[in-house]
Amino acid sequence: GAGVSQSPSNKVTEKGKDVELRCDPISGHTALYWYRQSLGQGLEFLIYFQGNSAPDKSGLPSDRFSAERTGGSVSTLTIQRTQQEDSAVYLCASSLVADMGQGQSSLHFGNGTRLTVT
Amino acid sequence: SQKIEQNSEALNIQEGKTATLTCNYTNYSPAYLQWYRQDPGRGPVFLLLIRENEKEKRKERLKVTFDTTLKQSLFHITASQPADSATYLCALKAAGNKLTFGGGTRVLVKP
Repeated sequence: GAGVSQSPSNKVTEKGKDVELRCDPISGHTALYWYRQSLGQGLEFLIYFQGNSAPDKSGLPSDRFSAERTGGSVSTLTIQRTQQEDSAVYLCASSLVADMGQGQSSLHFGNGTRLTVT
Repeated sequence: SQKIEQNSEALNIQEGKTATLTCNYTNYSPAYLQWYRQDPGRGPVFLLLIRENEKEKRKERLKVTFDTTLKQSLFHITASQPADSATYLCALKAAGNKLTFGGGTRVLVKP
């Protein structure tokens, strides 16, 4: 079946503009995550959604970042007034269950959106 | 503070040899640990999960060990092939259900 889909795959924007990044998780996956990966670095957790529970926003780096998940499916990550340090690959992942102790808790990643702020 | 450390230096290895990668963690008490593979321009792909009560887990040519006393996991690729060249990431569950990743180790298998 289809995997996690992210769009756009590449985005170049001018400093100060707002951007929206989209994630379509695997159908039926209840948990959705956003990570950020700078060049040559590991993955930095941003935000996590699980069903109708309040999202865990503890990784968002500033109030310029926000995310929503509509209808328990598609998610949008919005960055307002982009800065050059926001340039990175933004990765979305979904999993079948939220409890990471369960066997189906492995994350399924999309291929990311490469954001370049000029 | 909590840390997950992987060797940031690339591991160059000859085809057919065993590659061994290390994941060390501090200030975590993980019930399990996961390993992922990431190819350039792609998202990570899940490989293996090992629980705290499991000393060793195998999947084809991959072997993972988990030592909660040493706070360390070792990831082995036996009979390595050029197609195994990639970055390998370990991950632990942090507070809540956040999966926190190490910085990854790049492996280059030379024919």
